[in-house]
Amino acid sequence: DADVTQTPRNRITKTGKRIMLECSQTKGHDRMYWYRQDPGLGLRLIYYSFDVKDINKGEISDGYSVSRQAQAKFSLSLESAIPNQTALYFCATSLSPSTDTQYFGPGTRLTVL
Amino acid sequence: AQSVAQPEDQVNVAEGNPLTVKCTYSVSGNPYLFWYVQYPNRGLQFLLKYITGDNLVKGSYGFEAEFNKSQTSFHLKKPSALVSDSALYFCAVRAKTGANNLFFGTGTRLTVIP
Repeated sequence: DADVTQTPRNRITKTGKRIMLECSQTKGHDRMYWYRQDPGLGLRLIYYSFDVKDINKGEISDGYSVSRQAQAKFSLSLESAIPNQTALYFCATSLSPSTDTQYFGPGTRLTVL
Repeated sequence: AQSVAQPEDQVNVAEGNPLTVKCTYSVSGNPYLFWYVQYPNRGLQFLLKYITGDNLVKGSYGFEAEFNKSQTSFHLKKPSALVSDSALYFCAVRAKTGANNLFFGTGTRLTVIP
């Protein structure tokens, strides 16, 4: 969905490096999410934010941090990357009601050597 | 605890035949249920959701799903499969109360054989 963009789309880095993945949305949604996808494990929630001042940990937040710079921007950082953080990372957005659909970005493929 | 099970990693079906992708869930209270599809090198795309009301939900691209509370299932169906339906399908559940996070199944790869 072009309304949710992620940069970079692909990244190869080395163990111990700091990495930032960025997500921007033009949908005007309050809620934003970061997931990682691993083969055979589906998607798992890393962090989520209901608005600029509200950030919450998901299932697998260890080793990650986030920043909600504005309603439209939500960044995910790996402070010191390790090989088992190699995965496909997705950003998603939704409106405030819990019934609303989440809309996903195209994903960032991260490889940590 | 909330969870979703997609018991089949792979489903193969001939073009033109009906298809079913299975999903069962576990959640406290009443659920919100979703189906997403992922095409190669793409993000997840929303197909349909069950919030309340009619147990049969119709979605994009001719897909539908039936909510069955007694069996805690939300199977995805389509009467006539197309080769272009070949993709990875994810079921997801969210509780009506609490943090409202989506919990995803592990995905089912659907292959439609010409």
